[in-house]
Amino acid sequence: EAQVTQNPRYLITVTGKKLTVTCSQNMNHEYMSWYRQDPGLGLRQIYYSMNVEVTDKGDVPEGYKVSRKEKRNFPLILESPSPNQTSLYFCASSLLGWNRLAYNEQFFGPGTRLTVL
Amino acid sequence: SQQGEEDPQALSIQEGENATMNCSYKTSINNLQWYRQNSGRGLVHLILIRSNEREKHSGRLRVTLDTSKKSSSLLITASRAADTASYFCATDAISSGSARQLTFGSGTQLTVLP
Repeated sequence: EAQVTQNPRYLITVTGKKLTVTCSQNMNHEYMSWYRQDPGLGLRQIYYSMNVEVTDKGDVPEGYKVSRKEKRNFPLILESPSPNQTSLYFCASSLLGWNRLAYNEQFFGPGTRLTVL
Repeated sequence: SQQGEEDPQALSIQEGENATMNCSYKTSINNLQWYRQNSGRGLVHLILIRSNEREKHSGRLRVTLDTSKKSSSLLITASRAADTASYFCATDAISSGSARQLTFGSGTQLTVLP
C-alpha cells in the first residue's frame, strides 16, 4: 500500500531534550516536506527536499533540522525543543512535475502530535 | 507568508445542500490544489487544477479557477454528514529566486448537519 508513515504519532517531552520524528514514504517520490499545523494558522512549511541531499527552508525553519540521506526517509530533528514547538506535525511527499518546478498531489502522513513541557 | 486564503473560515449547512468555499491568492501560480482534513488527521488530496484550466469536476466536487481574479472555488454538491471536515487550498508560487513553494491556506471548517 502506497503510504507515508510517521513515528511517533504522539510525543510528550521536556524543554531541551533532543528528539527526532521519522518520516518514510514507499512511493519513490522526489519531493518531501514537513509542515506544522497550529489553530488559526493553517499549515506552515518547515523544510522541504527536492531530492536526496537537497533540502531547503520553508516558512518556519527556526529550531528545526532535517536530512535527506535516502530518497524514502526525511527525518525532522528538534535539537533543543521549546514549548512554542508544541504542535501537530505532518510529513508529505509527492512526485515533481515534468519541469521539476510544479507541485503535484501531496501524500500526507497521519501526523505527529508533539507536546513540549 | 500565506499565499492562499480560504473564505469563509467556517460554514454550516444541512445535509443535501451545496457547499461553496473560496480561495484567494496573491501571485501567479502553476496550479492550485484542494485538500480535505478530518479532525486531527492527515490531509487528503481532492483535486488539482492547472493555471490554464478554468473548471474541473470530480464526483460531487467542482472546482473553478479564475486567474484574472486570483481566486478559486470548491463546490460540494448534495453534501453529506461525512463531508464534515476542514478544506484547504494550496498554491505553488515563485518564492525567493527561482524556487517554488507550496503554500496552504488556513482552511474552511465545513459542518454538514444531518
